[in-house]
Amino acid sequence: GQNIDQPTEMTATEGAIVQINCTYQTSGFNGLFWYQQHAGEAPTFLSYNVLDGLEEKGRFSSFLSRSKGYSYLLLKELQMKDSASYLCAVRDMAGGATNKLIFGTGTLLAVQP
Amino acid sequence: DTGVSQDPRHKITKRGQNVTFRCDPISEHNRLYWYRQTLGQGPEFLTYFQNEAQLEKSRLLSDRFSAERPKGSFSTLEIQRTEQGDSAMYLCASSLGGAQPQHFGDGTRLSIL
Repeated sequence: GQNIDQPTEMTATEGAIVQINCTYQTSGFNGLFWYQQHAGEAPTFLSYNVLDGLEEKGRFSSFLSRSKGYSYLLLKELQMKDSASYLCAVRDMAGGATNKLIFGTGTLLAVQP
Repeated sequence: DTGVSQDPRHKITKRGQNVTFRCDPISEHNRLYWYRQTLGQGPEFLTYFQNEAQLEKSRLLSDRFSAERPKGSFSTLEIQRTEQGDSAMYLCASSLGGAQPQHFGDGTRLSIL
C-alpha cells in the first residue's frame, strides 16, 4: 500500500532553523516533492528529490534517503511568512501508473516572533 | 507568466444539483491533473490527462464525476447529483512532462447546502 507520514504541527521561532520530516511507503517510488500551502491558497512547489542526498535552494533544503523511505525539508532563517502547511508528496509509478502524486496530510508550521 | 487558472473560485449549491468547474493549465503543459482537498488533509488524486486522453481515474471518482479535456488545453470537471460529501476544494495542476513538478491552481471551493 501507500503511506506517507509527517508531523501534524510544528512551532518554531523567527530566525531559527526547522526540520520537517516525512516517511513514506510506496511500491513504485519515483521522486519526492515538497510543497508549501498557505491557508486558502494553492500548493506551491518548493523542491524535488529523486536521488539520495541533499538539494539546496536558498533558505530551503530537502534531503532524501530512498533506502530508509525518509525525507526532510529544512527551512533556515525562518520568517513570519513561512507560517504555512508543508506537504510531502511522493510520485507513484506502481503498476505503470501515471505521474500522480500521493500527498501526506501536511505539517502546519507556526513561526513565532 | 500566467499560472494555472481555475473558475469559479467558490461554488455554493444545493444537494442534488450538478456543478461544473473549469481549469486552464499553463499553456505549454501537456499533463493535467485534478485533485480534491478537504480541511486538514493533503490533496487526493482524482484523474489525469495527457493531452486530450484521460489516462487514469481514481477509485474516488464515482460515476457522478466526469472530466474532459476535449482539445488538450482546458479541462472541465463535472459533478452530477451533488452530495454533502462532495464539499471540498477541487485543485487542478499541470506539468510540462511526467517528470516535471506539478503546478497548482488556486482551486474551486465547493460547498453543498
